[in-house]
Amino acid sequence: DTAVSQTPKYLVTQMGNDKSIKCEQNLGHDTMYWYKQDSKKFLKIMFSYNNKELIINETVPNRFSPKSPDKAHLNLHINSLELGDSAVYFCASSHRTGDTEAFFGQGTRLTVV
Amino acid sequence: GENVEQHPSTLSVQEGDSAVIKCTYSDSASNYFPWYKQELGKRPQLIIDIRSNVGEKKDQRIAVTLNKTAKHFSLHITETQPEDSAVYFCAASGVYNFNKFYFGSGTKLNVKP
Repeated sequence: DTAVSQTPKYLVTQMGNDKSIKCEQNLGHDTMYWYKQDSKKFLKIMFSYNNKELIINETVPNRFSPKSPDKAHLNLHINSLELGDSAVYFCASSHRTGDTEAFFGQGTRLTVV
Repeated sequence: GENVEQHPSTLSVQEGDSAVIKCTYSDSASNYFPWYKQELGKRPQLIIDIRSNVGEKKDQRIAVTLNKTAKHFSLHITETQPEDSAVYFCAASGVYNFNKFYFGSGTKLNVKP
């Protein structure tokens, strides 16, 4: 009964490859996010979707393409992976109202070699 | 967009002492201010939050204060315990343009036994 689940938990891949991370929430939330956490632990917002529509794209390279097939899912596809993409990627969800808790997935540790 | 600054980046206290972490935000329309705790290798989890219609909120050993005029809010942990050791993040959000949850840069708290 995990609230926000993302897969895989670990992902090791070579430069230049294309990979996807999946995220699903069963909380009935309208809004979902992708955050990138680098080695310095900064939690930087990448994308925000509300009811399948893109709301925020925070100057993320277009190699990153989020896809939301429905409001319970927000997947992240990354093309032509680079060494600098290595980080922990967190999916999160919240109510649209903006004044309630955002719930995080367990994170995906991406390592590009 | 919102700019959230957090200080200090690291904080070391003796068990039983108090710890204070401070944040400032830039967008006066933000009206929701959560605090998250992230233990090593785990997801960020909400520990306390405050909305703009109150100035202070307390939950056992944890309290948060908000000064909307000055645009700053603080986390106070009293009687710290070793299990309080973690990275703490403040965030600011609001319903003005869908919720965005911009996070501060994090504070690594170390409670020495």
